[in-house]
Amino acid sequence: GAGVSQTPSNKVTEKGKYVELRCDPISGHTALYWYRQSLGQGPEFLIYFQGTGAADDSGLPNDRFFAVRPEGSVSTLKIQRTERGDSAVYLCASSDRTGEASYNEQFFGPGTRLTVL
Amino acid sequence: RKEVEQDPGPFNVPEGATVAFNCTYSNSASQSFFWYRQDCRKEPKLLMSVYSSGNEDGRFTAQLNRASQYISLLIRDSKLSDSATYLCVVNSVSGGSNYKLTFGKGTLLTVNP
Repeated sequence: GAGVSQTPSNKVTEKGKYVELRCDPISGHTALYWYRQSLGQGPEFLIYFQGTGAADDSGLPNDRFFAVRPEGSVSTLKIQRTERGDSAVYLCASSDRTGEASYNEQFFGPGTRLTVL
Repeated sequence: RKEVEQDPGPFNVPEGATVAFNCTYSNSASQSFFWYRQDCRKEPKLLMSVYSSGNEDGRFTAQLNRASQYISLLIRDSKLSDSATYLCVVNSVSGGSNYKLTFGKGTLLTVNP
């Protein structure tokens, strides 16, 4: 079946601009995650959605970053007043509903490579 | 101290070699442990979970030592197709849910003909 998809695959923008990154999770997956991967680093957690609500946004670096998932499926990560330091690959992942006792595998999308000039 | 630390690498090995990756984690409350593989400019994919009893999947063997907070991955008879970055990943229970993945920086492996 179809995996996690992300659009655009590449985004080049200028410092100070606003960008939106889209994630389409695997159909039926209720949990959705955003991670950011800088060059030479592993992915870093940004935010986790269970259904429509952000259950944990503790990884968002500052208030320029915001994410929504209004209908519990597609999610959009929004970055205001972009800075050069925001340049990274933004990865989205989805999984079956997480539980207290078990871990459900997170399946990653191909990512959006954001470059802020 | 970083939550998950890995051998910095890179590793360059000939085909057929055995290669070992090491990883330590700092959060003793960590519950689940994994190795992910990431090909160049691709997304990370789960390679295998790691259990205290040790587990094997073909040429790949993973070990976990909870007392030492240490995780390892051994690849035997390495193939050209094993060339990738290997990410050590730890999952900690947070707010009653078992979802938050913490990744190491990754170790790049290149297998040469």
